[in-house]
Amino acid sequence: QKEVEQDPGPLSVPEGAIVSLNCTYSNSAFQYFMWYRQYSRKGPELLMYTYSSGNKEDGRFTAQVDKSSKYISLFIRDSQPSDSATYLCAMSPTGANSKLTFGKGITLSVRP
Amino acid sequence: DTGVSQNPRHKITKRGQNVTFRCDPISEHNRLYWYRQTLGQGPEFLTYFQNEAQLEKSRLLSDRFSAERPKGSFSTLEIQRTEQGDSAMYLCASSSAVGGWDNSPLHFGNGTRLTVT
Repeated sequence: QKEVEQDPGPLSVPEGAIVSLNCTYSNSAFQYFMWYRQYSRKGPELLMYTYSSGNKEDGRFTAQVDKSSKYISLFIRDSQPSDSATYLCAMSPTGANSKLTFGKGITLSVRP
Repeated sequence: DTGVSQNPRHKITKRGQNVTFRCDPISEHNRLYWYRQTLGQGPEFLTYFQNEAQLEKSRLLSDRFSAERPKGSFSTLEIQRTEQGDSAMYLCASSSAVGGWDNSPLHFGNGTRLTVT
């Protein structure tokens, strides 16, 4: 079993839909949780970063962490075609920048 | 633009050849990371530097791989005697760790795509 599991894709939704992306993990030492977005042939770019449990909102994006269930989610409201990309969850026990463990990513396509 | 810069963007080489990639981090960042990403997978950690010191290496980093950061600025990743299994995207990332706090998220470059034929 991998340390970080991410829902398999790909995922296709119509424009304006609410998207829910999820990851589970097995290492209870993880405390820092990130979501990265990666466009084709580009490097990952940081979307959201949370520490420990709770919610964090940034515009159309909301990140949720439930440490008791070892489950994290990213919600995208009013999805846009420009949101079409691969979304990667990442986590670390010691910090947002030290040896991140990534999920395999899910490819999202938002249809106009 | 002062983001993380990686060169070359794409490298095609024959099996058995040596290749070297370069990464220029964001100038004020003292930490530099190398990751490898294969198709359909997330990035996997290879190694990282704080200033010029290489602090951790993954067991994925076989003895054919060597990374350096001689002056604590740019870094190189060399692969000797390349194999077809080395074909992947090699990503560099940088961050700042000030005063021992380890909470500055990574900024990634756009990677070097290696194809070994």
